[in-house]
Amino acid sequence: DQQVKQNSPSLSVQEGRISILNCDYTNSMFDYFLWYKKYPAEGPTFLISISSIKDKNEDGRFTVFLNKSAKHLSLHIVPSQPGDSAVYFCAARANNDMRFGAGTRLTVKP
Amino acid sequence: DTGVSQDPRHKITKRGQNVTFRCDPISEHNRLYWYRQTLGQGPEFLTYFQNEAQLEKSRLLSDRFSAERPKGSFSTLEIQRTEQGDSAMYLCASSFSGLPGQYFGPGTRLTVT
Repeated sequence: DQQVKQNSPSLSVQEGRISILNCDYTNSMFDYFLWYKKYPAEGPTFLISISSIKDKNEDGRFTVFLNKSAKHLSLHIVPSQPGDSAVYFCAARANNDMRFGAGTRLTVKP
Repeated sequence: DTGVSQDPRHKITKRGQNVTFRCDPISEHNRLYWYRQTLGQGPEFLTYFQNEAQLEKSRLLSDRFSAERPKGSFSTLEIQRTEQGDSAMYLCASSFSGLPGQYFGPGTRLTVT
């Protein structure tokens, strides 16, 4: 049962432009949503999170938006940099159970 | 470096053999998680410890898998009688109670031939 879905396996953007990564979920019991970034040969790195009681959280170039009615969240990266090129995983937590999406590979071209 | 560490980073074994992986979490973190990741998928939850107590196990964790965290610090994950379907990246993560973010180690890549 895929409770967290990232429908775009890849995304390519130009350096300096905005990157928008999307994620959909089905379980209304999720109380926290997180984004992780993963480089090859490394484990996922925690990037940013948002509580289910909020609709926006911002940290520098990274902003996460949550639309509970649509069961949708997105990660905005502005401006995108070549070093942002990685696989981004969306994750959602209910109690101690964390579910991950399949990931979106972001490529930022110089 | 005070991040999560895992050992070994790579393991190649023959079908039917037993393997054991080790995870050392961030020292002040009381929660420890094991995940499995296959190609093109996100991490899948296997099991979770709070201190030394194993509080949750996924149905993915068959009876060939066992995990321990004897003193509430490092943890081991053992797979008995390995099968080719066990080939995957095994990830360990740790966190502190009440905080949502989990911090992952680099993983152990298991190949069963």
